[in-house]
Amino acid sequence: QEQMVESGGGVVQPGRSLRLSCAASGFSFNDYGMHWVRQAPGGGLEWLAVMWFGGTSEEYSDAVKGRFTISKDTAKSTLFLQMDRLRVDDTALYYCARKKTGFDLWGQGTLVTVSS
Amino acid sequence: DIQMTQSPPTLSASVGDRVTITCRASQSISTWLAWYQQKPGKAPKLLIYKISSPETGVPSRFSGSGSGTEFTLTISDVQPDDFASYYCQQYNTYPWTFGQGTKVDVK
Repeated sequence: QEQMVESGGGVVQPGRSLRLSCAASGFSFNDYGMHWVRQAPGGGLEWLAVMWFGGTSEEYSDAVKGRFTISKDTAKSTLFLQMDRLRVDDTALYYCARKKTGFDLWGQGTLVTVSS
Repeated sequence: DIQMTQSPPTLSASVGDRVTITCRASQSISTWLAWYQQKPGKAPKLLIYKISSPETGVPSRFSGSGSGTEFTLTISDVQPDDFASYYCQQYNTYPWTFGQGTKVDVK
């Protein structure tokens, strides 16, 4: 069945880097815009970045532009989020999401904690 | 950036009630408005896209309406499974943005 599984979260010090992965299966990965969304503890949803279908372009929120980079490995149907210069306020549960009608398919999330 | 303002932040309801959640965009977003339901510890679930189109499998008691900058999500007959948080999202203009959320709890 269609699913996405995130990994790569953990505890990291401010200023350090982390790379998240989102492994997709059960659907044609390259046919959809693939997104990252995060949710701070007790908070709401925050859109972060998109890799357009076909991998032709990306967009970022102002909060992460210049620090985070979205990429993908089409052969492995895997989406990545390279997070550099992490800050305490980047602490959140990070989801990947597929855009079809809306965000119709989500992973279970991977927790990133930025703390000294 | 387009700001999405949801109201109310919290809504108390009883089973069988009709409830309405409002979402206001800071500028026109055409038809590109979606609604999500989220339960604690779970990923969001898409309910409605393009203002009023129900995602496959979503119960008919959920409906969306609105235009331009004012949108609503209505639950016509609240069921026990509906106590959750709800978010609107605009996907007209990058950066895509979500409302702050509305928690529907038991009265």
